[in-house]
Amino acid sequence: NAGVTQTPKFRILKIGQSMTLQCTQDMNHNYMYWYRQDPGMGLKLIYYSVGAGITDKGEVPNGYNVSRSTTEDFPLRLELAAPSQTSVYFCASSYSPARTVNQETQYFGPGTRLLVL
Amino acid sequence: GDSVTQMEGPVTLSEEAFLTINCTYTATGYPSLFWYVQYPGEGLQLLLKATKADDKGSNKGFEATYRKETTSFHLEKGSVQVSDSAVYFCALSLGASNTGKLIFGQGTTLQVKP
Repeated sequence: NAGVTQTPKFRILKIGQSMTLQCTQDMNHNYMYWYRQDPGMGLKLIYYSVGAGITDKGEVPNGYNVSRSTTEDFPLRLELAAPSQTSVYFCASSYSPARTVNQETQYFGPGTRLLVL
Repeated sequence: GDSVTQMEGPVTLSEEAFLTINCTYTATGYPSLFWYVQYPGEGLQLLLKATKADDKGSNKGFEATYRKETTSFHLEKGSVQVSDSAVYFCALSLGASNTGKLIFGQGTTLQVKP
């Protein structure tokens, strides 16, 4: 049981390049999340998904896109990388029964460190 | 809006000292409250949580009590160890939301010296 896995661990991008951060969970969780963590700051929610085919914006979605075609995978796409996107990105997942308030524990991946130069 | 405020770090303690990390929150409705810990080079992991007022969460010697009257969820440990050195995040999950979104404080770095 690997939990939440993220690839790559570290990446350097040039301004204007694009890339996809991969996130996979093997716990059959219905909820998945992407956060970014800037130095000395807490995590901020970028996008989230309540199930396959359903995604929604979080607090800081500009410059990112997501898709959720399967329960397991939730990739994050950066189309035109900017220095402001230099950060550590964490994917997380949780499970909550349908049509209930989700206050369940989130399980985090190890993170992807992204540097945009 | 909804928010979480933690005490500024870093906090530096000697081994076996008493630890308190303050956390206060602002939220509509009835949030659940969490403490997550991040060890160097790793992702966040749940330390403890409380889902309603007066609940006490506890794990690995850490405790926190959900105080609705003071909107606080302070983290305490009676005797810290070097292995407790990490960044601690207080977070809330909005009770009125069915998405489980977490709002985090800025994190408090704890360094424990032998």
